[in-house]
Amino acid sequence: ILNVEQSPQSLHVQEGDSTNFTCSFPSSNFYALHWYRWETAKSPEALFVMTLNGDEKKKGRISATLNTKEGYSYLYIKGSQPEDSATYLCAFKGATNKLIFGTGTLLAVQP
Amino acid sequence: DAGVTQSPTHLIKTRGQQVTLRCSPISGHKSVSWYQQVLGQGPQFIFQYYEKEERGRGNFPDRFSARQFPNYSSELNVNALLLGDSALYLCASSSTGRDNLNQPQHFGDGTRLSIL
Repeated sequence: ILNVEQSPQSLHVQEGDSTNFTCSFPSSNFYALHWYRWETAKSPEALFVMTLNGDEKKKGRISATLNTKEGYSYLYIKGSQPEDSATYLCAFKGATNKLIFGTGTLLAVQP
Repeated sequence: DAGVTQSPTHLIKTRGQQVTLRCSPISGHKSVSWYQQVLGQGPQFIFQYYEKEERGRGNFPDRFSARQFPNYSSELNVNALLLGDSALYLCASSSTGRDNLNQPQHFGDGTRLSIL
């Protein structure tokens, strides 16, 4: 059974704080690692798809890194804003044609 | 351009009934995937279709089936509904090639299914 784990489960930070969370996935048969942001009452929005070990991607104040050999990815948010409040999901694609999601990290940014 | 559209938005059924959920992908997208999301969990992969062929299947019973039409829209069917099928059902489309679970998935707003 393929396991994708995210930590922490939830995070409360103050506006302006920088934060990061972790996604752990199987280190064998790696094809891709996805990150999504899911705001309440909206649909999940793609942030990044990473396919190569050592990949680093950036979108505004959000960035992500990838280590496929040890099976983890970090998502960083610099200078959190209240509009960053959302659930952040990662998803792993291995050799089989399935996308396996973690349970997400719920981020709450207080003004 | 319109995003991924799903219908209906909400649905209430009783145990034993059958349900059909519908999804229209972003124009030009040939791949559609279906996911079930239960509160407190991440989306669970059900199916992926590309060019009308099933390309991936998650760990769901045979009561779950899907198909994709020539215009790339898709239907998810669930037979003999159980209380545990109550969930948000999400559809996602992506753009390029057969190996398109390596591409960003564009999600619809989902269908909220409640089983009484």
